[in-house]
Amino acid sequence: EAGVAQSPRYKIIEKRQSVAFWCNPISGHATLYWYQQILGQGPKLLIQFQNNGVVDDSQLPKDRFSAERLKGVDSTLKIQPAKLEDSAVYLCASSLEGLVRDTQYFGPGTRLTVL
Amino acid sequence: GDSVTQMEGPVTLSEEAFLTINCTYTATGYPSLFWYVQYPGEGLQLLLKATKADDKGSNKGFEATYRKETTSFHLEKGSVQVSDSAVYFCALSIASNFGNEKLTFGTGTRLTIIP
Repeated sequence: EAGVAQSPRYKIIEKRQSVAFWCNPISGHATLYWYQQILGQGPKLLIQFQNNGVVDDSQLPKDRFSAERLKGVDSTLKIQPAKLEDSAVYLCASSLEGLVRDTQYFGPGTRLTVL
Repeated sequence: GDSVTQMEGPVTLSEEAFLTINCTYTATGYPSLFWYVQYPGEGLQLLLKATKADDKGSNKGFEATYRKETTSFHLEKGSVQVSDSAVYFCALSIASNFGNEKLTFGTGTRLTIIP
């Protein structure tokens, strides 16, 4: 079974530039998550989708971050404009239905460096 | 708010040593508790979980017991191997104000096993 795919794996940009990350969840998984993991910290949930609807985006900095999940499958996360403090690993995860009994499967992450 | 506090690392042990990584939590309700592991160069993966008090999660020789009275979920292994070298994250899941089950992670503990 194919896992969660993410691209790119690494990205270096300058502050005030824009960047986009892509995620393809496990086939059949209705729930998709984006996490931000700053060095030395645990992952923090940015946004959760159930199919193509947003369930929780309470910790998404909406002035610069946006995310979409068209057709309830792939998802993109965008940052515009980027700040130095956005340097982190961005993790995508998916689960069957978003319930506690459903395991979240994580992708390898995209490491973003903002200079 | 809900939070997880885990033992700071890094932790270095010799092969076949006994391992304990401490984890305590603060939650207003009745969370489910998890240990995730991140091997070098790989994505986060679920190691074990427990969904109610006194439950014991186990996998790959690792164990953790959900202790409600001490609000703890310590990870243990009787005899570690070099292949156990990784970063370990304790996490809790509880229903958020938006009705979704939300994972909150600790900061992670880096474990290195030397031959």
